[in-house]
Amino acid sequence: DTAVSQTPKYLVTQMGNDKSIKCEQNLGHDTMYWYKQDSKKFLKIMFSYNNKELIINETVPNRFSPKSPDKAHLNLHINSLELGDSAVYFCASSQVMDQPQHFGDGTRLSIL
Amino acid sequence: SQQGEEDPQALSIQEGENATMNCSYKTSINNLQWYRQNSGRGLVHLILIRSNEREKHSGRLRVTLDTSKKSSSLLITASRAADTASYFCATGLSGSARQLTFGSGTQLTVLP
Repeated sequence: DTAVSQTPKYLVTQMGNDKSIKCEQNLGHDTMYWYKQDSKKFLKIMFSYNNKELIINETVPNRFSPKSPDKAHLNLHINSLELGDSAVYFCASSQVMDQPQHFGDGTRLSIL
Repeated sequence: SQQGEEDPQALSIQEGENATMNCSYKTSINNLQWYRQNSGRGLVHLILIRSNEREKHSGRLRVTLDTSKKSSSLLITASRAADTASYFCATGLSGSARQLTFGSGTQLTVLP
């Protein structure tokens, strides 16, 4: 029944490693997003995809690469993890871009 | 720079009291949305108000929008301990860049 699900919920890894976070939505939405929430709870958009096409790519290091195999999935791959990447990453979806978004419960990434 | 900024950053009240949170933004918007985030969870959409609306109600929530002052307020009446959460405003920008831009939230604590 979960509308937007992302895995894993927790990710603890060492600096320099490569990791992926998966996201799936069963709402039939056309648009999906990745956000980064820092320790002060500031939520910043990283990427937005509409029907598998990249719409927004904010100032994000190219170590971060989103992949959308189909409209219902948007995965995030991160290469060469750095200490500053520690944060909570949220996947979200909406029917169109400025309409209400549905969020997953987040992936808490900790870099050792 | 952030588009939406909430005020206050933290608010602590007794159960049964009303809670008011404010949001200011900088550029023209299509709509403004309020979200709630419980600890360890994703954001949940509460209410959307369009730029041509001045006030909107949903249950115990009342949202106002003043586009001349570029500000909005969220009022929660008769608060309950379960309302304890962070509350975020998000602005849907007008023009081609219709992404949502979030503030850093107001942490509301309702004491039983």
